[in-house]
Amino acid sequence: NAGVTQTPKFQVLKTGQSMTLQCAQDMNHNSMYWYRQDPGMGLRLIYYSASEGTTDKGEVPNGYNVSRLNKREFSLRLESAAPSQTSVYFCASTFDRAGANVLTFGAGSRLTVL
Amino acid sequence: AQSVAQPEDQVNVAEGNPLTVKCTYSVSGNPYLFWYVQYPNRGLQFLLKYITGDNLVKGSYGFEAEFNKSQTSFHLKKPSALVSDSALYFCAVRDQTGANNLFFGTGTRLTVIP
Repeated sequence: NAGVTQTPKFQVLKTGQSMTLQCAQDMNHNSMYWYRQDPGMGLRLIYYSASEGTTDKGEVPNGYNVSRLNKREFSLRLESAAPSQTSVYFCASTFDRAGANVLTFGAGSRLTVL
Repeated sequence: AQSVAQPEDQVNVAEGNPLTVKCTYSVSGNPYLFWYVQYPNRGLQFLLKYITGDNLVKGSYGFEAEFNKSQTSFHLKKPSALVSDSALYFCAVRDQTGANNLFFGTGTRLTVIP
């Protein structure tokens, strides 16, 4: 049982380059999330997908796009990377976003934009 | 609007001593509160949650948390700290007004000194 798998684990980009972070879960979860983690700021929600076929903005969506490819996969795209997007990105999922359901997190993707 | 505050960036405690990691929250309605732990180079892992009922919640690895409605607090505690408890701890509150997303505090780094 792999849980939530993120790729790549590490990436270095130059300003203006584009890239896609991939996330897949094998727990039949309905809701998926992308967070970024920055020192002193905790985790901030970028985008989420409440269910297959839907996506919505979180707290800090600017500069990002997402695709819920199917129930298992939720990708995060940076169209034109900026140094301010240097961060650790976490994908998470839960069966049902309502109530007290627990999030399961991936191991993270560390992105550096030069 | 919902928010979570973790007033201490760093907590140091000697091995074998009790530990407390503080969290206060602000949310409309009844809160769903969570604690997650992050070990180095790993994703967040769920520790415990409060939904309703007994104010003292027990979780993984001997941790517990006390919900205090009058003080809007949800402090994490453990009677006897282990060196292996050294990690980054996040308090989180679930927004119950529509999006039901999870909002995280800025994190507290716990160091247990042998």
